[in-house]
Amino acid sequence: KNEVEQSPQNLTAQEGEFITINCSYSVGISALHWLQQHPGGGIVSLFMLSSGKKKHGRLIATINIQEKHSSLHITASHPRDSAVYICAAPSGNQFYFGTGTSLTVIP
Amino acid sequence: DVKVTQSSRYLVKRTGEKVFLECVQDMDHENMFWYRQDPGLGLRLIYFSYDVKMKEKGDIPEGYSVSREKKERFSLILESASTNQTSMYLCASSFPLYGTVNHYGYTFGSGTRLTVV
Repeated sequence: KNEVEQSPQNLTAQEGEFITINCSYSVGISALHWLQQHPGGGIVSLFMLSSGKKKHGRLIATINIQEKHSSLHITASHPRDSAVYICAAPSGNQFYFGTGTSLTVIP
Repeated sequence: DVKVTQSSRYLVKRTGEKVFLECVQDMDHENMFWYRQDPGLGLRLIYFSYDVKMKEKGDIPEGYSVSREKKERFSLILESASTNQTSMYLCASSFPLYGTVNHYGYTFGSGTRLTVV
C-alpha cells in the first residue's frame, strides 16, 4: 500500500515545455513537501505547502487538501531542471515519500 | 543553514563485512532517519530515532541496526553486508517549524552510495 502516489514515473520534455507532476496521498496531513534530487544524490526541499499555491521562480506548487492532491509545475523548462522530483507527505513527524518522477529536459 | 553530513559519498565493501554509515547534524534536531533509495521503489525508511538512545524500526529494518549515543549523530550499521544491500543511503533530520503546529521541516544529507561486492 502506497500512502503517496506520484505520476508520471518518468518524463522527457523539450526545453521550454510546461511540465506537470502529480501527487496523490492517502495519509492525513497538514502540509506536503516537494523535493528535488539531482544526479549524485543530494536532496533539497523546494516547497512546503498546506493550501493554495506557492511560486518560486519557474516552479509552482499547488495543493487541494480536500482532494488530497498536489501538483508541481515547471514553466519554460530548462535542461538544468533535469532531476528527480519527489513529493513527501508528513504524518506526525515521519514522512511518506512518493517514488519520484525522473525528469529529463532535452535542449 | 542546517547541515546533515554523511561521512562518505561512495563506499565499496565486501560481502560479510561490518559497515558503518555515519550521519551528523549540527542543529540539535531530535528526529533523525535513515532511508535507502532504490530505482522504482523510492525512499524506504530503515530506522528512525526520536531522541538519544531511542530507536524505532521503519519499513525495512532487516539486516540493519542503528546507534544514537549522541543527539547529533545517528549511525546505520550493516552487521554483515550482503549484495542486496547495495543501494543509495540517505540520512535526514526533521524539526518542528517555528510558529506552526505539526509542520516539520526536513533536511537530507547528500547520500552514501554503497556497493557490496
